[in-house]
Amino acid sequence: DTAVSQTPKYLVTQMGNDKSIKCEQNLGHDTMYWYKQDSKKFLKIMFSYNNKELIINETVPNRFSPKSPDKAHLNLHINSLELGDSAVYFCASSQSRNQPQHFGDGTRLSIL
Amino acid sequence: QQQVKQSPQSLIVQKGGISIINCAYENTAFDYFPWYQQFPGKGPALLIAIRPDVSEKKEGRFTISFNKSAKQFSLHIMDSQPGDSATYFCAANYGGSQGNLIFGKGTKLSVKP
Repeated sequence: DTAVSQTPKYLVTQMGNDKSIKCEQNLGHDTMYWYKQDSKKFLKIMFSYNNKELIINETVPNRFSPKSPDKAHLNLHINSLELGDSAVYFCASSQSRNQPQHFGDGTRLSIL
Repeated sequence: QQQVKQSPQSLIVQKGGISIINCAYENTAFDYFPWYQQFPGKGPALLIAIRPDVSEKKEGRFTISFNKSAKQFSLHIMDSQPGDSATYFCAANYGGSQGNLIFGKGTKLSVKP
């Protein structure tokens, strides 16, 4: 069973569209995260959720919004997509602060 | 102050050799230091991690050396194998908020047969 799963794996869309990426974890973890990996492979945290509460919100555009329907899911909604949003987005989860984070295999977003 | 500086950017090692990747940080609030391994098309996978009260941790062929006073830590891969070829990231957990991992920029390791 996949511990952290993301869908879709690939997402190709045009500028200005709105899209969502879904993430689910079956590890029973309390905290979930979204990271962005750019073309140079630099990983940067975007958001994390703990018990449905946003606890980290880095300086990302407000076009990005995380939504957590329950502890096992953290979806990422992106409005008005821009060329610069092209990247690989990773979901991760951990039991709690300072515990190992487990990553999904990423969603490659390409903006045409 | 929240940066983690990683070097080298790329590394080529012969099979059986030792691979060494170094990281340095500034912020003393960091309290957890993991290393991740990433293969193409996959997410980062936790390899080994250390906390600042320990100077060395070994798991199989992988060892972390931690120098708290110098604010440096390094990953040593002994008897490097072609299957170890991947990108390696050091990271530091920023205390004061939950699980805010700051990543180094990665090292692409190639192990030649």
